[in-house]
Amino acid sequence: DSGVTQTPKHLITATGQRVTLRCSPRSGDLSVYWYQQSLDQGLQFLIQYYNGEERAKGNILERFSAQQFPDLHSELNLSSLELGDSALYFCASSAPPGNTGELFFGEGSRLTVL
Amino acid sequence: QQPVQSPQAVILREGEDAVINCSSSKALYSVHWYRQKHGEAPVFLMILLKGGEQKGHDKISASFNEKKQQSSLYLTASQLSYSGTYFCGTDPGTYKYIFGTGTRLKVLA
Repeated sequence: DSGVTQTPKHLITATGQRVTLRCSPRSGDLSVYWYQQSLDQGLQFLIQYYNGEERAKGNILERFSAQQFPDLHSELNLSSLELGDSALYFCASSAPPGNTGELFFGEGSRLTVL
Repeated sequence: QQPVQSPQAVILREGEDAVINCSSSKALYSVHWYRQKHGEAPVFLMILLKGGEQKGHDKISASFNEKKQQSSLYLTASQLSYSGTYFCGTDPGTYKYIFGTGTRLKVLA
């Protein structure tokens, strides 16, 4: 158990819909990262938050948005969903600076768009 | 900009050795290695912080050459449990923690 919690674990929805994925980082971790992993593909960096502030953005579509709340949990919002958005979405957190910087991953949210 | 890993895939028999390489076009300050089982979350294996320094994890070790911007993961006497996809990961100083292209490893009995 990494200590990172993601909900929901599975989600099936239709094209054009909007969904929200939630992530609670490990206790004490300030950084939250979001990744997209399409079927049998690599881990694509979407966005990173640190202590409530957006710190870095990857190839995140304009239809996607995220935020980190004062209690440090984060949400990834996906709107106007397309078939190609079907993927496993991972959230990860890392310890404050001064640590080794490794990422601790949640179990992922599997999104299926029909 | 994504680190390139080689080989893309490898099949081994139990007890055989393998080497997975990770090469970056940008400077690497540190390299992490992760293993991901199918359908599961990636799990951290080790970190390489210093050029040329080797770290070990059971029968898995790694090296890091800062000058060549490369890291290699060495799997010795592979076990069935080593099967999975291996990713190198790095933050090139931009806070974008990116992963390599991945190497699928399958160990056969």
